[in-house]
Amino acid sequence: GAVVSQHPSRVICKSGTSVKIECRSLDFQATTMFWYRQFPKKSLMLMATSNEGSKATYEQGVEKDKFLINHASLTLSTLTVTSAHPEDSSFYICSARDGAGDTDTQYFGPGTRLTVL
Amino acid sequence: KNQVEQSPQSLIILEGKNCTLQCNYTVSPFSNLRWYKQDTGRGPVSLTIMTFSENTKSNGRYTATLDADTKQSSLHITASQLSDSASYICVVSAQPHDYKLSFGAGTTVTVRA
Repeated sequence: GAVVSQHPSRVICKSGTSVKIECRSLDFQATTMFWYRQFPKKSLMLMATSNEGSKATYEQGVEKDKFLINHASLTLSTLTVTSAHPEDSSFYICSARDGAGDTDTQYFGPGTRLTVL
Repeated sequence: KNQVEQSPQSLIILEGKNCTLQCNYTVSPFSNLRWYKQDTGRGPVSLTIMTFSENTKSNGRYTATLDADTKQSSLHITASQLSDSASYICVVSAQPHDYKLSFGAGTTVTVRA
């Protein structure tokens, strides 16, 4: 099946620094990638949708200047949390949409645990 | 507003026993319903996918049912194993091309020896 990877799996940073998280589709081309945030014991919340080569579409309440998304290729999207603060500590999950052939579904990455001190 | 509600919020079962998780949704129009398993600290992994015309789908010891008329789904776990301990998330898609998903809060299953 389709595989989506994320890097890093876990990151700890100081308040005020920026952190970049990578999301890659390993065996398929993803024209659309999604970024989610998940707090403990809560459901996944969609943050933004990114299409290759165009600007990301952010959900209401998500600051686009704080959560920078780049989708420069069909297999890579990055999420940069700028000037991170402790309240940004969360589990960030990406998914990639495989729109080829008969399949048209989202495959989730393993997630990145961000802890801001 | 599209909503997906799951019950129970959590449950504990003994190894080898069966259990059933429930999902009610108000998503409309309806495209498909998926059940995911999410291990702690990991991303969700798809277990089953059902469209409007399907009322049951199995994946090993996992069997999902769908009643599109009552907008209810269930996930049955047979002969539970310790490795089944995880959060099980019901996800409903209103778009035929899987764009925006509505997530349930999940049911946390703990299997004890």
